[in-house]
Amino acid sequence: DVKVTQSSRYLVKRTGEKVFLECVQDMDHENMFWYRQDPGLGLRLIYFSYDVKMKEKGDIPEGYSVSREKKERFSLILESASTNQTSMYLCASSPLAELNTEAFFGQGTRLTVV
Amino acid sequence: GQNIDQPTEMTATEGAIVQINCTYQTSGFNGLFWYQQHAGEAPTFLSYNVLDGLEEKGRFSSFLSRSKGYSYLLLKELQMKDSASYLCAVLDSNYQLIWGAGTKLIIKP
Repeated sequence: DVKVTQSSRYLVKRTGEKVFLECVQDMDHENMFWYRQDPGLGLRLIYFSYDVKMKEKGDIPEGYSVSREKKERFSLILESASTNQTSMYLCASSPLAELNTEAFFGQGTRLTVV
Repeated sequence: GQNIDQPTEMTATEGAIVQINCTYQTSGFNGLFWYQQHAGEAPTFLSYNVLDGLEEKGRFSSFLSRSKGYSYLLLKELQMKDSASYLCAVLDSNYQLIWGAGTKLIIKP
């Protein structure tokens, strides 16, 4: 059974804190993604990675960074959390894009910044 | 710019049929996905269309017209557990997924 696991379901952090969101996949997928999901908006891509140590900015990278030291793990970092980063964060993985197969999502992390 | 449009919310009755529409304008097209997302849970894959026509999978069917930039998801014999958000996403020419905002489907007894 394929699995994408995010380290936390719920997080509450203070403004200015450094926040780490971890994601691990067990499918040996090349691609990994971080999205945020807000009411009334589609999934918005923050960053993605198509290989170890590779990263690409998505549509809304400001205020975020990522790390992919191992193929199975993709971390999202909020350098200095702000209240407008309160959101649901979804990690996903997929095999090579050209294969046109679906992405698999983690359960999501609901982050509240106070 | 790239754009995916879906209705925000729909209501249907248990046992009935509902059609959720999706129109898109993207730079290139490499396929269209439908995902289901229950409240507080991760999206799960429902269907993928890359050629025109209807793909049937049990109670769910998905249709695509590339010339019209249009797709729909058809749900038959609705059950209460079908209450969820349905997300349309298009794979563009760079193999990036462009997501719609999702359609919240409410099923009433």
